[in-house]
Amino acid sequence: DIQMTQSPSTLSASVGDRVTITCRASQSIRNWLAWYQQKPGKAPKLLLYDASSLESGVPSRFSGGGSGTEFTLTISSLQPDDFATYYCQQYDTYSTFGGGTKVEIK
Amino acid sequence: EVQLVESGGGLVQPGGSLRLSCVASGFTFGNYWMHWVRQAPGKGLVWVSRVNPDGTTTNNADSVKGRFTISRDNAKNTLYLQMNSLRAEDTAVYYCARDFLRDGYISDAFDLWGQGTMVTVSS
Repeated sequence: DIQMTQSPSTLSASVGDRVTITCRASQSIRNWLAWYQQKPGKAPKLLLYDASSLESGVPSRFSGGGSGTEFTLTISSLQPDDFATYYCQQYDTYSTFGGGTKVEIK
Repeated sequence: EVQLVESGGGLVQPGGSLRLSCVASGFTFGNYWMHWVRQAPGKGLVWVSRVNPDGTTTNNADSVKGRFTISRDNAKNTLYLQMNSLRAEDTAVYYCARDFLRDGYISDAFDLWGQGTMVTVSS
């Protein structure tokens, strides 16, 4: 099974900060990676797919990069609505999620 | 409105059974692979099961093989998850989710999620 490791598990930041979350796969997943945002008590929301493609309606301050085993999610200027938990997901072989990164207010 | 609405969760004793439903609206349900994903309280997301558009192909995570069965009724725009031999570790919010690709293709990424239904396995 492909394991996904996210870091950090928690990130404290302020509005306007540039934030980067890292996701590592236990083996190459090419670019078959998605990022989701989840707020408490809500379902996850797809932000990016194929590592760097922005889902329709998602603000352009979100961007993704990487391929193979190392990937990043960057929020260029953190907004109040962005405080949430973020998950990466590989879909090269079935589906596995990372453990999540909680972005909290500093 | 494009949406998925789950139901059927609740409290069940260990060893018991439960059937979850997910009603789809606002899109052509029969064009998509559909999935179940679960999230234990305070934990991360775990893929559980998937079914192809016509219901003839299913796959399950190892943790639920032989106990859970996914199915669908395209005439009713409804996805199901039959859960048998439930264990305490099955306690979670269960989400149904639509595959990102349509027309029979599969990606295993999910672009539409329901609000979730809570399943608690406890005596």
